[in-house]
Amino acid sequence: QVQLVESGGGVVQPGRSLRLSCSASGFNFNYYAMHWVRQAPGKGLQWVAIMSGDGSRKFYADAVKGRFTISRDNSRNMLNLEMSSLRPDDTAVYYCAKDEGVGGTLGSIDYWGQGTLVAVSS
Amino acid sequence: DIQMTQSPSALSASVGDRVTITCRASQAIRNDLSWYQQKPGKAPERLIYLASTLHGGVPSRFSGSGSGTEFTLTINSLQPEDFATYYCLQHNTYPCTFGQGTKLEIK
Repeated sequence: QVQLVESGGGVVQPGRSLRLSCSASGFNFNYYAMHWVRQAPGKGLQWVAIMSGDGSRKFYADAVKGRFTISRDNSRNMLNLEMSSLRPDDTAVYYCAKDEGVGGTLGSIDYWGQGTLVAVSS
Repeated sequence: DIQMTQSPSALSASVGDRVTITCRASQAIRNDLSWYQQKPGKAPERLIYLASTLHGGVPSRFSGSGSGTEFTLTINSLQPEDFATYYCLQHNTYPCTFGQGTKLEIK
């Protein structure tokens, strides 16, 4: 079955960087687009970024554009999120999520990891 | 960006009731809409995709409808495990956007 396990969260000072990773198993990782979605404490879901299965397409939310970079290593079934210039309002649980889109296509999120908490605080 | 307006933001209901949650898109999104359920401390789970198709293993008391700009999630005969927060998500145009969420509470 689909399994997504995030890692790399923690407490980080404002202005610093952090890298999140997501290890995927149970499906052909290189076929499918992958997302990052976040949820601030007590708040709703906020979409962050997506990368297509073949790496040809990437999109970002305006709130993170220019600061966050999504990447993937299909040989290791890993999705990454490099976050820089972190701000207190980036504090959230970050979820890795699988898209049902194959190759260069994008579709709906069908499976989610359990999330990793990032706290930006001095 | 496409805005998703979800209503109501909170809803009280009893076991056995039927409830409806609505999402309105700021522009037409065909049927590129999914619904998710999230319980406290857990990751969301997909219920519905393409506006009306049930995700595998989801009970048939959940149903979705709509196209274009207006969409509904209906839960028939509420069960105790259905009390949770529900979100819609449009993926027609990037950035994709979630509704604000509807917290379904026991009356």
